[in-house]
Amino acid sequence: NAGVTQTPKFQVLKTGQSMTLQCAQDMNHEYMSWYRQDPGMGLRLIHYSVGAGITDQGEVPNGYNVSRSTTEDFPLRLLSAAPSQTSVYFCASSPGQRANQPQHFGDGTRLSIL
Amino acid sequence: AQSVAQPEDQVNVAEGNPLTVKCTYSVSGNPYLFWYVQYPNRGLQFLLKYITGDNLVKGSYGFEAEFNKSQTSFHLKKPSALVSDSALYFCVGRRNTGFQKLVFGTGTRLLVSP
Repeated sequence: NAGVTQTPKFQVLKTGQSMTLQCAQDMNHEYMSWYRQDPGMGLRLIHYSVGAGITDQGEVPNGYNVSRSTTEDFPLRLLSAAPSQTSVYFCASSPGQRANQPQHFGDGTRLSIL
Repeated sequence: AQSVAQPEDQVNVAEGNPLTVKCTYSVSGNPYLFWYVQYPNRGLQFLLKYITGDNLVKGSYGFEAEFNKSQTSFHLKKPSALVSDSALYFCVGRRNTGFQKLVFGTGTRLLVSP
């Protein structure tokens, strides 16, 4: 049972570099989302998708892009990394839009921007 | 605006003693409420949820939570704490109509001493 897989687990970037954080799930879940976790702030929603080809912005979308070409994959792209984007990033999925479904989280990508 | 509050940054308890991690919510209508646990360098894991019905909800690892509508609270409890329960706990809320985004508390660190 792979569940939600995130790669890489750790990454260090220089300011201005771009990169893609990968997220894949093997549960055929419709709903996928990206969060960032910062100390004392809980998790904040960056972008989400309710199905292949459909994405929307969350609370803190600036500086990030997403696409959803397949049900399984939901990559997050940092266009031009900034120190403020140093954080731990979590991908999550759930079976559908029903509000009572719990989320399944990956183990995170720890990103440092120098 | 919807919000979830966890008033304690940290809760300390001795092994074998009962534990309570507090959560209050401000979610309109009849909310869905969840507790998640996060161990070091891992993603969030679902513990339990309140949807409707019985106000006492039982979940994984012996945890339970009591939904109190009049006090707008959803406190997490366990009768006898284990050292292995030491982790970061998140209370999460969601409106029960249509597609609604999750609202995270800021997290409470539980430290169980031997």
